[in-house]
Amino acid sequence: DTGVSQDPRHKITKRGQNVTFRCDPISEHNRLYWYRQTLGQGPEFLTYFQNEAQLEKSRLLSDRFSAERPKGSFSTLEIQRTEQGDSAMYLCASRAGPSTDTQYFGPGTRLTVL
Amino acid sequence: DAKTTQPTSMDCAEGRAANLPCNHSTISGNEYVYWYRQIHSQGPQYIIHGLKNNETNEMASLIITEDRKSSTLILPHATLRDTAVYYCIVRYNQAGTALIFGKGTTLSVSS
Repeated sequence: DTGVSQDPRHKITKRGQNVTFRCDPISEHNRLYWYRQTLGQGPEFLTYFQNEAQLEKSRLLSDRFSAERPKGSFSTLEIQRTEQGDSAMYLCASRAGPSTDTQYFGPGTRLTVL
Repeated sequence: DAKTTQPTSMDCAEGRAANLPCNHSTISGNEYVYWYRQIHSQGPQYIIHGLKNNETNEMASLIITEDRKSSTLILPHATLRDTAVYYCIVRYNQAGTALIFGKGTTLSVSS
């Protein structure tokens, strides 16, 4: 257990529905990352927060995806109008700050879109 | 970030040392070598990182060649729980940048 938690661990939804995932980072970590991982591939970067500011977004983050980190604590990732291609593991990671580059990952949320 | 090349898969007997290679021939002087692993259905886990010198911690040792174009992660006494995908990542040690994962090496430890 790294101290990063994600909820839910598994989500099954029908195509066209909206889903929201939550990530709770290690409490003193001000940097938070979202990644997506499909079967047989390594994780791919989606977006990054420093405190409450979303500083970087990957081109993978289409208009149907939105992420927030209110008050610089937990973060949510919402996918609107889900498609079957959104089926993947969604991973959250946090890191303490500029003095360390180690990222600590949560267990992930497995999304299945039927 | 420099590109890395790793074997797709490796096998190791329980109790023996597992030596996982990584080639990073285009690495620049300020780039670090990081290793993460991912056990099935879990998030990636940090193992170790280094710049030039060899590094050791409670999990593993990292050997970086003098020209820094390749490195080896060593698990001294592999156990069944070390079965995982191991990712070698080369990156600048700066705030904000995301990790860029390749496909990694699938290490299978058997009894």
